[in-house]
Parts: sequence; structure tokens; C-alpha cells
Amino acid sequence: KAGVTQTPRYLIKTRGQQVTLSCSPISGHRSVSWYQQTPGQGLQFLFEYFSETQRNKGNFPGRFSGRQFSNSRSEMNVSTLELGDSALYLCASSLDGDRGEKLFFGSGTQLSVL
Amino acid sequence: TQLLEQSPQFLSIQEGENLTVYCNSSSVFSSLQWYRQEPGEGPVLLVTVVTGGEVKKLKRLTFQFGDARKDSSLHITAAQTGDTGLYLCAGAGSYIPTFGRGTSLIVHP
Repeated sequence: KAGVTQTPRYLIKTRGQQVTLSCSPISGHRSVSWYQQTPGQGLQFLFEYFSETQRNKGNFPGRFSGRQFSNSRSEMNVSTLELGDSALYLCASSLDGDRGEKLFFGSGTQLSVL
Repeated sequence: TQLLEQSPQFLSIQEGENLTVYCNSSSVFSSLQWYRQEPGEGPVLLVTVVTGGEVKKLKRLTFQFGDARKDSSLHITAAQTGDTGLYLCAGAGSYIPTFGRGTSLIVHP
């Protein structure tokens, strides 16, 4: 069974640009969640999608958005990039997104904002 | 907001040594998970503990959940270079899992 696939692996953008990251969950998994990881703040929850609906959201500004398609694939968009958005963005999938359920993470997209 | 504090933040040891890392909170969690993340990869689940006082063993790794379900520890016996990585604990209380900032472990040959 293929794991969680995130593309691209690396991205370099400049301030003010926007970026779209993609995540393909494990087949059969309906929940996809996104995290931002930085050395200073650790792993912070962005949002979670289930059956094409955003079910939970973390404390990030509206510049961070996402969506989920009918095949459970998900995209995350960041508009008007800031230097502080440089981070590793991780996507995780699980069967139903139930509390405490095992999360399967992708390898992440390393975003650098110059 | 539920917070998880992990200690130590960094640990550098020689192969063969034992070590313990801690995950503490003032909040009660219904379950707690430990993940290991290697450079350039996403975290991989090692174990989930659910019952207060529970102890789980995974080869040389021993995980314990505190009686009050507010804290947990991970003990590694006879560390190997392959144990190098970032160890993260994650608590399930509210729906959104809370992650600690991790313990970065380096095991030198």
C-alpha cells in the first residue's frame, strides 16, 4: 500500500507570492490534516479535511487555506507569503480522523520564502 | 490550549548508553502517542498509550503513561545509531492533537 505522497518536496518562493502544496493520502483514508513544522514552534496544526469539508482549524491566518477533493486528495494554499512562512509543511492521513487515531505522515514540503 | 512540554530538548549520547525522555502536561489526555521523525521525513508512529499507568515495550524502547494520564516517558536501552531522530509526543484530548516540540536525539558510534 502506497504511503502519503506530498509534492513538491522543495519550494523556493519570494515574499508576496502564493504557493499550492499537494497531498495524496493512503488509499481508503478519508481524513487529511496539515501541519506546519518549524524549529522554534514545533508541529502546529493547520486544518483537517474529511469528506471534502474542513472539519477542524488551527490558529493560522486566513492566508492559509485548503481543500479536499472527492478522491480525498488535498491541497493547501498560502497566499501573500511572508518570511515567517518558511517551514516544513506536513500532511497526514488517517481512516476517519477520530481522536487519537494513528496518523500517517508524508515526507513534507520544505518551503523557503526569500 | 493544551500544551505538551518535552525534555530534554536535545540529547547527544554514545552508542550503548541508556536514556529517558519526558513528555509532561497539566492537562489530561485520553491517549498519548510517540512518534519518531528522521531528517527529511515525516513523523512515524511508534506507540499509542491509552490507560493510566500503562507500560508498553517495543524492543529496546519502553513507553510509560502516567497514572493521571498527564505525562509520559520513553526509555531507550542500549541506544544504537539508528535511534537518532526527533522524538515527538502527541496528546489526544480535544479533537486536534497536541504535539510537543520534540527531543532531538543523536547517538554517536
